[in-house]
Amino acid sequence: EAGVVQSPRYKIIEKKQPVAFWCNPISGHNTLYWYLQNLGQGPELLIRYENEEAVDDSQLPKDRFSAERLKGVDSTLKIQPAELGDSAVYLCASSQGTKNIQYFGAGTRLSVL
Amino acid sequence: AQSVTQPDIHITVSEGASLELRCNYSYGATPYLFWYVQSPGQGLQLLLKYFSGDTLVQGIKGFEAEFKRSQSSFNLRKPSVHWSDAAEYFCAVGAGAGNMLTFGGGTRLMVKP
Repeated sequence: EAGVVQSPRYKIIEKKQPVAFWCNPISGHNTLYWYLQNLGQGPELLIRYENEEAVDDSQLPKDRFSAERLKGVDSTLKIQPAELGDSAVYLCASSQGTKNIQYFGAGTRLSVL
Repeated sequence: AQSVTQPDIHITVSEGASLELRCNYSYGATPYLFWYVQSPGQGLQLLLKYFSGDTLVQGIKGFEAEFKRSQSSFNLRKPSVHWSDAAEYFCAVGAGAGNMLTFGGGTRLMVKP
């Protein structure tokens, strides 16, 4: 069974440029999460989807961040425009069922110069 | 609000020695507890989980953890550490289906030959 797939693995951009990250969850997993992981810290939730619906986006900075999961499968997280402080690892996870066992992708490491 | 504290930022042990990583949580009800491991440049891999029942849970790679409600702790242990165990370890607390996980700040484990 394939795990959570994220791309790209690394991205380097200039500040004020847009950037997008893609995530394909484990097949059959209805719940998808985007987490932000700053250097030396644990992941923090940005947004959670149940199928196509964003059910928790309270931590998503909506002035510059957006996300979508149009068909309830894969998802895209976008930053426009990027700022220096956005340099971090963006992790995607998925889960299914009542126990909330979340499986993580390898992440996208973003460097904003 | 739920929270997780991992008091030790760094731990160094000799190969073959025993290991205990501490985790304390704050949660209003019976928590779901998790330990994840993250190798450099990788995503998070689930080591073990606790939902209910037996308070000593076994995981992959020879790890185990013990849930102690009276101490609000979920410490991770391994009787004999291998050099390949060097990584960052994260404790997390969550609720049921589809809920966010709250992570601790992580403990970086270094293994001396």
